Amino acid sequence: QKEVEQNSGPLSVPEGAIASLNCTYSDRVSQSFFWYRQYSGKSPELIMSIYSNGDKEDGRFTAQLNKASQYVSLLIRDSQPSDSATYLCAVKDNYGQNFVFGPGTRLSVLP
Amino acid sequence: DAGVTQSPTHLIKTRGQHVTLRCSPISGHKSVSWYQQVLGQGPQFIFQYYEKEERGRGNFPDRFSARQFPNYSSELNVNALLLGDSALYLCASSVGRGNSPLHFGNGTRLTVT
Repeated sequence: QKEVEQNSGPLSVPEGAIASLNCTYSDRVSQSFFWYRQYSGKSPELIMSIYSNGDKEDGRFTAQLNKASQYVSLLIRDSQPSDSATYLCAVKDNYGQNFVFGPGTRLSVLP
Repeated sequence: DAGVTQSPTHLIKTRGQHVTLRCSPISGHKSVSWYQQVLGQGPQFIFQYYEKEERGRGNFPDRFSARQFPNYSSELNVNALLLGDSALYLCASSVGRGNSPLHFGNGTRLTVT
């Protein structure tokens, strides 16, 4: 059973701070990793994808991947109240198109 | 470009009834996946279709079925509804190959009373 784990939160950070969201996965053959943002009552929205070890930056977002440790993280710099949402980590292997999602971490950015 | 479209947006059914949810993928996307999301949890995989063939099935009972049509749109059917089927049903499309991500529709909120 493939599993993806995240701290459920809520994670509270002040406006302008760095928010750090973490995710671990159980299946070593996983190759593709995704972060989705989900506002309350809405559907998940793709933020970033990462496939290779190391860091990938896109604006205020940085995804970090360590396959040896089976660990993925998302950093949000200069956090804004509009970043308040649930962040879902998703993992996929290359054998199929089944994405396994974690339970999500609820982030609250305080003005 | 139009995103993934789902219908209906909301649905209220009673126990034992049947429901059909519909999804149209992004133009050019050949894969459609269905997920169930219960409040406070991450999406749970139900089905994946690619080029009209079932490519994956999650741990859901046989009351759940789906199909994909020649235009790549898809239907999810749930028979003999239970209270526990109340959830947000998400359809997602993708190119269907390699590292292509999922793109979600707005979902159908199903309430079973």
